[in-house]
Amino acid sequence: GAVVSQHPSRVICKSGTSVKIECRSLDFQATTMFWYRQFPKQSLMLMATSNEGSKATYEQGVEKDKFLINHASLTLSTLTVTSAHPEDSSFYICSALGQGGAETQYFGPGTRLLVL
Amino acid sequence: AQSVAQPEDQVNVAEGNPLTVKCTYSVSGNPYLFWYVQYPNRGLQFLLKYITGDNLVKGSYGFEAEFNKSQTSFHLKKPSALVSDSALYFCAVRANTGGFKTIFGAGTRLFVKA
Repeated sequence: GAVVSQHPSRVICKSGTSVKIECRSLDFQATTMFWYRQFPKQSLMLMATSNEGSKATYEQGVEKDKFLINHASLTLSTLTVTSAHPEDSSFYICSALGQGGAETQYFGPGTRLLVL
Repeated sequence: AQSVAQPEDQVNVAEGNPLTVKCTYSVSGNPYLFWYVQYPNRGLQFLLKYITGDNLVKGSYGFEAEFNKSQTSFHLKKPSALVSDSALYFCAVRANTGGFKTIFGAGTRLFVKA
């Protein structure tokens, strides 16, 4: 149980285009999901907390207009990188809070974004 | 403010030997503590957590961790390392005072040599 999927696993796009990444909780409902960014050989940086049916809460320094987050259902959150630039190239990981106390975060496999 | 320190960038251990990956934390109130493992180009996999109760927590793949409140530590241990344990390990902390923001340590890379 507690499986989180992400799609796509890898994406290459041209500078200036937008990319949407989906995060799904496959066997549980997640009222809260998180989006992280991970640079090579570094830890996870929390970008935003996504709550179903409401606006996401962004961490300081994260541009909300550039990284659009939508949490339209209890099993799906999306991150759209708008007008992507090469510096947006990174590994993006989503996670969802588990059920039964919601203490544990379960992570998706990550999406590798390369902006050319 | 919450913080997590993993003082070792890398830990090397021979297969069959015990391993320890260190973690110390700072948080207001009582902590929720977690260990996750990450394999190359993959997301994080949950290993174990401490919420309350017994200070020694057992988790997946034979790993365990001991919560030490006086030393504010939560070191990850395994009695006998396997080559397949080689990966990146993250310690994480969340305050139990409300909210779900979890802070991750910088990660420790574990190399287990055959």
